[in-house]
Amino acid sequence: AQSVTQPDIHITVSEGASLELRCNYSYGATPYLFWYVQSPGQGLQLLLKYFSGDTLVQGIKGFEAEFKRSQSSFNLRKPSVHWSDAAEYFCAQNRDDKIIFGKGTRLHILP
Amino acid sequence: EAQVTQNPRYLITVTGKKLTVTCSQNMNHEYMSWYRQDPGLGLRQIYYSMNVEVTDKGDVPEGYKVSRKEKRNFPLILESPSPNQTSLYFCASSLGIPAPYEQYFGPGTRLTVT
Repeated sequence: AQSVTQPDIHITVSEGASLELRCNYSYGATPYLFWYVQSPGQGLQLLLKYFSGDTLVQGIKGFEAEFKRSQSSFNLRKPSVHWSDAAEYFCAQNRDDKIIFGKGTRLHILP
Repeated sequence: EAQVTQNPRYLITVTGKKLTVTCSQNMNHEYMSWYRQDPGLGLRQIYYSMNVEVTDKGDVPEGYKVSRKEKRNFPLILESPSPNQTSLYFCASSLGIPAPYEQYFGPGTRLTVT
């Protein structure tokens, strides 16, 4: 089945530590890939997207993601997290004329 | 300000009582969509619309209806709500089909059906 997999339901990191959230996609030779963030009580906001070209994409709020075709992955990274990064993160991929979302990874930040 | 608005933000209702959740966008977007978000399941698409008078089923359309009579509005209708439709609902819009375009999300509507 065509799906987006986020293996980690919850991740906890200390403030100032680096972060990597994992995402694996399964559809298409040339996927369109997205990361969205959902802060508590809010709708989703786009962090970054990948369509083609440079496999390392930069997004807002200091996030970046790397597309690795060989691993079918699009992991999200941030070198140093801030308490305000505590949120739920969704990886998404195009499928025909829709977008399908992973089940999300909730990020907890320790002070 | 470019935005997607939803109303109401919170709704508690009883089984079988018809309800409508409104969604409006002011960005002249062609594509609009409804999602439901449930713990552990992420976002699942209910219905989408690629333009006025063009709607199509998403992954979980049962129990829902939509209409797109105007470009800016895309209401979600529950003709006979049931408890399994208790969820957090999001409306979203984008310039075109949601790849490569960014989707803009509304703030969500939390629905409880008792």
